[in-house]
Amino acid sequence: DQQVKQNSPSLSVQEGRISILNCDYTNSMFDYFLWYKKYPAEGPTFLISISSIKDKNEDGRFTVFLNKSAKHLSLHIVPSQPGDSAVYFCAASLSGNTGKLIFGQGTTLQVKP
Amino acid sequence: GAVVSQHPSWVICKSGTSVKIECRSLDFQATTMFWYRQFPKQSLMLMATSNEGSKATYEQGVEKDKFLINHASLTLSTLTVTSAHPEDSSFYICSASKSWGKRTEAFFGQGTRLTVV
Repeated sequence: DQQVKQNSPSLSVQEGRISILNCDYTNSMFDYFLWYKKYPAEGPTFLISISSIKDKNEDGRFTVFLNKSAKHLSLHIVPSQPGDSAVYFCAASLSGNTGKLIFGQGTTLQVKP
Repeated sequence: GAVVSQHPSWVICKSGTSVKIECRSLDFQATTMFWYRQFPKQSLMLMATSNEGSKATYEQGVEKDKFLINHASLTLSTLTVTSAHPEDSSFYICSASKSWGKRTEAFFGQGTRLTVV
């Protein structure tokens, strides 16, 4: 039972354009969502998070949008840079326990120069 | 900052032997650490929650006798894969939570690539 789903295994965008990574979840009890960036053979690196009481959180080039009614969140990266190329994981947690995370399958982003 | 270090970063072992993986929070104390496992091109799956000074809490389907977890101090948790078999080959990652007031964030180790031959 995949509670957090990233249905696009890969995404390719041109440098300077916007990258939009999507994530869907099924458990309405999730109240905190996070995005992580991961390179092969390394641990995930935290990017940005959002509480369920908000619908948008912005940090520099990264913006996360949350649509609770649709159980959907997205990560926008603009402008995209070649260094952003990595695997991006969406994760969710219950009751603010951000240590215990349920991850999506990941989306591989390739930003072409 | 918050740094979590895993050791070793990779290990190759013979089938039937046991392997210990260490997870250390270098600059903060972590009463709770988490162990994840990732198969190639798949998601990170939570295996267990490691609690300092008490027994670990395992997720459904994870054999606690095979994956022994010890959290003896506030900065160290260990995962021992006992009687390893080739199907245990995977990428194992730990994380630790750090809180600043109302904000809590999980920090991950660099992972350990286990290959059982």
